[in-house]
Amino acid sequence: GDSVTQMEGPVTLSEEAFLTINCTYTATGYPSLFWYVQYPGEGLQLLLKATKADDKGSNKGFEATYRKETTSFHLEKGSVQVSDSAVYFCALQDNTDKLIFGTGTRLQVFP
Amino acid sequence: DADVTQTPRNRITKTGKRIMLECSQTKGHDRMYWYRQDPGLGLQLIYYSFDVKDINKGEISDGYSVSRQAQAKFSLSLESAIPNQTALYFCATQPARPPHEQFFGPGTRLTVL
Repeated sequence: GDSVTQMEGPVTLSEEAFLTINCTYTATGYPSLFWYVQYPGEGLQLLLKATKADDKGSNKGFEATYRKETTSFHLEKGSVQVSDSAVYFCALQDNTDKLIFGTGTRLQVFP
Repeated sequence: DADVTQTPRNRITKTGKRIMLECSQTKGHDRMYWYRQDPGLGLQLIYYSFDVKDINKGEISDGYSVSRQAQAKFSLSLESAIPNQTALYFCATQPARPPHEQFFGPGTRLTVL
């Protein structure tokens, strides 16, 4: 079945460092892909999405490109801030429109 | 503002008790979901509903039941709670038309003693 694999955390960075969180997927067809963010004590919020190959989703300085050839959707940000500390989930939309989530990656940014 | 709300936000209960978690939404979405979140396991789907007359089991439905009382309301019940149901529970909504992103409630932290 469809699945999403994310790099394990925690990822610990200093403020202004470059961030990459890896995400790869297995799916039939060409699913839509998402990154969600969960701040402490809150529910998940959509961060960005891409609906077809080579699309780039972006929001709040974060970017991810839908790479069909490598079945990947890695999340990047050029300069992280303390306020970016959260758990990040990669997800794909399966062919019944349900979302399949990865296990999440915790990001900790220190001043 | 359109929203997804969950009640209660926190609940402590004892083994064997029946408990209901409620979810309401003002987004007008037909589709609603219940997830469970455990540390290191991401989100696991318990039940989902694509409209008021449609209820479907997810990957971990054993020990849970749901009721879709209206388009805006979707309740999750634990008929006889057990300690390994201690977790964070999220409700989510989704529009039937693309893009099919999901909108999450703030979560209910349930502890079963």
